[in-house]
Amino acid sequence: QLQLQESGPGLVKPSETLSLTCTVSGGSISSGVYYWGWIRQPPGKGLEWSGSIDYSGSAYYHPSLKGRVTILVDTSKNQFSLKLSSVTAADTAVYYCARHREMATIGEFDRWGQGTLVTVSS
Amino acid sequence: DIQMTQSPSTLSASVGDRVTITCRASQSISSWLAWYQQKPGKAPKLLIYQASTLDTGVPSRFSGSGSGTEFTLTISSLQPDDFATYYCQQYNSDVSFGGGTKVEIK
Repeated sequence: QLQLQESGPGLVKPSETLSLTCTVSGGSISSGVYYWGWIRQPPGKGLEWSGSIDYSGSAYYHPSLKGRVTILVDTSKNQFSLKLSSVTAADTAVYYCARHREMATIGEFDRWGQGTLVTVSS
Repeated sequence: DIQMTQSPSTLSASVGDRVTITCRASQSISSWLAWYQQKPGKAPKLLIYQASTLDTGVPSRFSGSGSGTEFTLTISSLQPDDFATYYCQQYNSDVSFGGGTKVEIK
């Protein structure tokens, strides 16, 4: 059973860089050309896609975050990561990692991590 | 960017009711649309993809329809476990989500 688990600091200071890791278990991140994504949800609000990456490192980002967001993959550790620079209070959210259902397609998400709350505050 | 607009934002209903949620796209997305159910403190759960295909294990009381710019999610007979927030997601161009529809107990 494929499982995803987010990890990283729960508190980040304004203007600093938010860094999160998603560890995939129960399957290899490089078995099949799946895309793996990050989605965030500010408290009490809706979902926002941040970006997605495949096992080769081919990444796509939300237009509003381009320039601040970087998603990387580490197949040796079966992990992918999110880095978001110059954070503000508006970046406070629950961050989810997830897998796109169909290979080689940035489509719907069928497997999700439990989410991790990141608060931006001094 | 493709904007997704859901209506209503909140819906009050009773067990057994037929419930319909609408999602409109700012431009045509063909059938590249998914629906999710989210309960408080939990990750979203995929219900439907490609506008009308039920994901594995999703009860048949859920159905999806539409293409182009207008889509609907229908729950044929609302069950106690269905009180939750529902989101649509387009993936025709990048990914974007609707604002959500909370289905609450009447």
